[in-house]
Amino acid sequence: KNQVEQSPQSLIILEGKNCTLQCNYTVSPFSNLRWYKQDTGRGPVSLTIMTFSENTKSNGRYTATLDADTKQSSLHITASQLSDSASYICVVSARDSNYQLIWGAGTKLIIKP
Amino acid sequence: NAGVTQTPKFQVLKTGQSMTLQCAQDMNHEYMSWYRQDPGMGLRLIHYSVGAGITDQGEVPNGYNVSRSTTEDFPLRLLSAAPSQTSVYFCASSPTLFLAGGKEQYFGPGTRLTVT
Repeated sequence: KNQVEQSPQSLIILEGKNCTLQCNYTVSPFSNLRWYKQDTGRGPVSLTIMTFSENTKSNGRYTATLDADTKQSSLHITASQLSDSASYICVVSARDSNYQLIWGAGTKLIIKP
Repeated sequence: NAGVTQTPKFQVLKTGQSMTLQCAQDMNHEYMSWYRQDPGMGLRLIHYSVGAGITDQGEVPNGYNVSRSTTEDFPLRLLSAAPSQTSVYFCASSPTLFLAGGKEQYFGPGTRLTVT
């Protein structure tokens, strides 16, 4: 069964610190992996999209990595800011007839001053 | 560009009532979809459309109807609301159905629905 698991479920860190969020998936055949940021009360917004051949992608202070062999991805946030407080969602697209999206439940990140 | 807009932002219904959640996009996207988001779960696809006049069911379509008469609008109808439909509903659009090669999907701000 295609699944996406994220850890931790929630995380609290101090402003200025770094953190890493994890995503494990069992989706096959794999097309691409996306990380979304969802602020409270808002819709998800795309941070990065990685295909099979990409193993690192950055968007400002956000760096996503992908290991297609172990089916793991991580999102590293550098020098966290209060505005980084949000849920971060990992989404994997299957290379099937309609590129089905399989959504993780997300990691809720809280940045404390 | 307003992007993807949804109305209303909040709604409370009684069991058995019907209503329509509105969604519109001004990006001329072919593909539109409706998701629901429940606590502790990933987004689940309700219905989607690949163009005007064409709709199909997603993962959790029961209790919901859709139609797509124009490229811009994709309303979601709850036929007879049930407490299990209490959720946050998101509409999304993208240039194509096939989200390969980095095609982006854009989300509306959501509608928070409570059914009592």
